[in-house]
Amino acid sequence: GALVYQYPRRTICKSGTSMRMECQAVGFQATSVAWYRQSPQKTFELIALSTVNSAIKYEQNFTQEKFPISHPNLSFSSMTVLNAYLEDRGLYLCGAREHYNYAEQFFGPGTRLTVL
Amino acid sequence: TQTVSQSDAHVTVFEGDSVELRCNYSYGGSIYLSWYIQHHGRGLQFLLKYYSGNPVVQGVNGFEAEFSKSDSSFHLRKASVHWSDSAVYFCAVSANYAQGLTFGLGTRVSVFP
Repeated sequence: GALVYQYPRRTICKSGTSMRMECQAVGFQATSVAWYRQSPQKTFELIALSTVNSAIKYEQNFTQEKFPISHPNLSFSSMTVLNAYLEDRGLYLCGAREHYNYAEQFFGPGTRLTVL
Repeated sequence: TQTVSQSDAHVTVFEGDSVELRCNYSYGGSIYLSWYIQHHGRGLQFLLKYYSGNPVVQGVNGFEAEFSKSDSSFHLRKASVHWSDSAVYFCAVSANYAQGLTFGLGTRVSVFP
């Protein structure tokens, strides 16, 4: 079956520091990986969509300078939250999918970021 | 730009009851729709999707959803809920299946015995 792992599951960082999170797809080829954030009591916001061999597309309010993403192959992606502050806390999910018609996104369990 | 609206923030049902969770979207073209479930403290689990074809789609654990272009809706239903169905349900849309998803605010379902 298709599985997505995320590491770490929980992390705490001091305000102003950076934190890297990883996403691994198992059992399928993660041609595209989308990163989302769920802030406390809110829904999921798309941060960026990364497709192997294509440019990473960031949504409004999110930038590469703040959330650099690496997607080097069909099974792995990572994202760093640079210079984290209180408003960056939340659950970060990666959703990965293969590029065949109508393929759904499979999500990992998320990385929960707490900023002190 | 596509948007999605889930009109019910919280739904309370008893075990064995049926439930319908509403989802309405706005977008002018072809649209890819899906439902996900989030149990407390967990990530998202895929339930079902629609892009074309039969407007009634079957998902996991007895869930189904019906697409209506005229109503711009994709409501989720289950004929008989179980206590383990207590969770938050998210409707998600995208302009095509290859893009990132836009999520609704979610509907919390509480199932009582």
